[in-house]
Amino acid sequence: RKEVEQDPGPFNVPEGATVAFNCTYSNSASQSFFWYRQDCRKEPKLLMSVYSSGNEDGRFTAQLNRASQYISLLIRDSKLSDSATYLCVVSTGGFKTIFGAGTRLFVKA
Amino acid sequence: EAQVTQNPRYLITVTGKKLTVTCSQNMNHEYMSWYRQDPGLGLRQIYYSMNVEVTDKGDVPEGYKVSRKEKRNFPLILESPSPNQTSLYFCATGTGGVEKLFFGSGTQLSVL
Repeated sequence: RKEVEQDPGPFNVPEGATVAFNCTYSNSASQSFFWYRQDCRKEPKLLMSVYSSGNEDGRFTAQLNRASQYISLLIRDSKLSDSATYLCVVSTGGFKTIFGAGTRLFVKA
Repeated sequence: EAQVTQNPRYLITVTGKKLTVTCSQNMNHEYMSWYRQDPGLGLRQIYYSMNVEVTDKGDVPEGYKVSRKEKRNFPLILESPSPNQTSLYFCATGTGGVEKLFFGSGTQLSVL
């Protein structure tokens, strides 16, 4: 079993739709959680950190469920520019990071 | 401008020919790390460095070497490349470790 698992998609949604991605992790000692965005073959960029109480940044909402060991990302009012691969990242608190394989999103006009 | 610079952007080589991929940052970050990205596997950590002269293995260190003689540079060395090291490589830096990572633009390596 992979340490961090994501549905690879692709998710194909129309503009304005709401879409949600989940990510599960296997190590219960994991302490830090993040969502990164990666455009095709380019470098990943931090989208947002995920806090225990959940957090929101504009159209993006991240949630953490420690009991079930998953994190989620909700995108509201999808834009064409949201088309990308979304990477779930987990850290156990040291300097090692575990990336999920990513979920591809296509937003269509 | 804050930058993480990787070179080269593309590299084609043959099995066994030693190569070095350079990574340089001007953000004065202590933490630097190397990843490889393969289809369906996501980014996997190769080596990381917490500070000058301090390095440690990630999840897939076999076949790679690194050095951290200066804060700004963290080269990745393949002493004897093999075809299974064909991949997209990223260097990353961070301040407190993994809280926020800044990535270089990547190096596409093909080993024939």
